[in-house]
Amino acid sequence: EAHLVESGGGLVQSGGSLRLSCVASGFTFNNYWMSWVRQAPGKGLEWVANIKHDGSEQYYVDSVKGRFTISRDNAKNSLSLQISSLRAGDTAVYYCVRDSGDYYLYKWFDPWGQGTLVTVSS
Amino acid sequence: QSVLTQPPSVSGAPGQRVTISCTGGSSNIGAGYDVHWYRQLPGTAPKLLIYGKNNRPSGIPDRFSGSKSGTSASLAITGLQAEDEADYYCQSYDTSLSARVFGGGTKLTVL
Repeated sequence: EAHLVESGGGLVQSGGSLRLSCVASGFTFNNYWMSWVRQAPGKGLEWVANIKHDGSEQYYVDSVKGRFTISRDNAKNSLSLQISSLRAGDTAVYYCVRDSGDYYLYKWFDPWGQGTLVTVSS
Repeated sequence: QSVLTQPPSVSGAPGQRVTISCTGGSSNIGAGYDVHWYRQLPGTAPKLLIYGKNNRPSGIPDRFSGSKSGTSASLAITGLQAEDEADYYCQSYDTSLSARVFGGGTKLTVL
C-alpha cells in the first residue's frame, strides 16, 4: 500500500526558511509526479507545487513562485519543499501527495501524507 | 476566493440523500477536465473519494457517486450515515491558471 510521511514543519519567523521532507513507500516512486498541497488553519485546500517523475519539470502556484522550490531524490524515494521568505499567509499544514492517473491534466491526488504544520510568526 | 465554488454547508438526516455542488467555468470543468472529490474527517488528512468519471477507490461504498454537466459537478451521497459527517472538496484542473484547483469545501452535517 502506498504511504507518504512528511517531516520538517515547525515554528519559523516571518522572512525565514524551512525545508519540508516526504518519504514515500509502497509504490515505485520514480514513476509518479508528486505534489505538495497546503491547508491554512480552518481553511480549504490549495495546490502548491508539483514535480515530474524524473525531476525535469516543476510547477508552482503563483503565490509561491520564486520563494518555494520543490525537488526530489528518486534514489531515496523522497520529496522536498524548500520554503523561504515566509509570510503569515504561508501558515498551513503541508501535505505530500502523489499525482495519480494517466494524463497530466486529469490527475488526482492519492494518497496523502498525514501533513506537517508550518507556523509563521511575526 | 476559490476557483471552484461549493456551498459552505449541507445537511441531511440519516438515510437521506444529499448532493454537494461544485461550480466552475470554461477554463476548468467547462473545458472538459475531470472533477475529483475528497473527504476530510475532522483532524485528519483528506482522502480520495471519487476520481475521474465517477470511479471509487477500493473501500469507498457505492453510496457515493459523482457526476458532471457543463461547468458544474456534483457529489451525491445516498443512505446518509453519521460517519459521513466531514468536509468534502472537489478538485479539477484550470487551464488559465495552469494549476490544479480545489473548491472551498463543504461541511456535511448529519442531523
